[in-house]
Amino acid sequence: QSVLTQPPSVSAAPGQKVTISCSGSSSNIGNNYVCWYQQLPGTAPKLLIYENNKRPSGIPDRFSGSKSGTSATLGITGLQTGDEADYYCGTWDSSLSAWVFGGGTKLTVL
Amino acid sequence: EVQVVESGGGLVKPGGSLRLSCAASGFTFSSYSMVWVRQAPGKGLDYVSSISSGGSYTFYADSVRGRFSISRDNAKNSLYLQMNGLRAEDTAVYYCGRGGSGSGSYVDVWGEGTTVTVSS
Repeated sequence: QSVLTQPPSVSAAPGQKVTISCSGSSSNIGNNYVCWYQQLPGTAPKLLIYENNKRPSGIPDRFSGSKSGTSATLGITGLQTGDEADYYCGTWDSSLSAWVFGGGTKLTVL
Repeated sequence: EVQVVESGGGLVKPGGSLRLSCAASGFTFSSYSMVWVRQAPGKGLDYVSSISSGGSYTFYADSVRGRFSISRDNAKNSLYLQMNGLRAEDTAVYYCGRGGSGSGSYVDVWGEGTTVTVSS
């Protein structure tokens, strides 16, 4: 049982937009920055979004992040087959004094 | 090139010990916090432990506290994870990561991982 809650899977057609939600509480998302990772099959995770909505160098602006209250959302526009991957949200939990992750969302581009 | 490379994984019996290492290069290691994250087969990411840039502050997941110990040697640009009392549920790929330099808690550089299998 993950501290942060994500939908197990989402799907959309190529070229379309998809959003992935991440729900937490005041001890984590509510009072700390959120980040998002992409993990392609068989590879290490890669940072997509940090500090709620910032993109590291090299990450296309098709990827966006937002946060409201105790929830965060990852948005991906112009879906490509290469976007098929597992996506994880993460943040710090002030009550646990530990990093926490969501359970992951598998994106299928139909 | 900025990178971190893990080593030290392997097969160990329940109750045994293992020491993972992470070699960093391409950046000023002593300026960054570091983290260990694991991923059990077919499962999601699972935070293990993190350490501040100078090594003074360490944090652990409840599941490993008291059994695992994180440390670093800034002179050798290396991060370590000493794992004792290993259990079957510790079986996973262990990733070393560099903590981001911003205000949030995030990993901006990941290694390829080293596999730990706990089995009799």
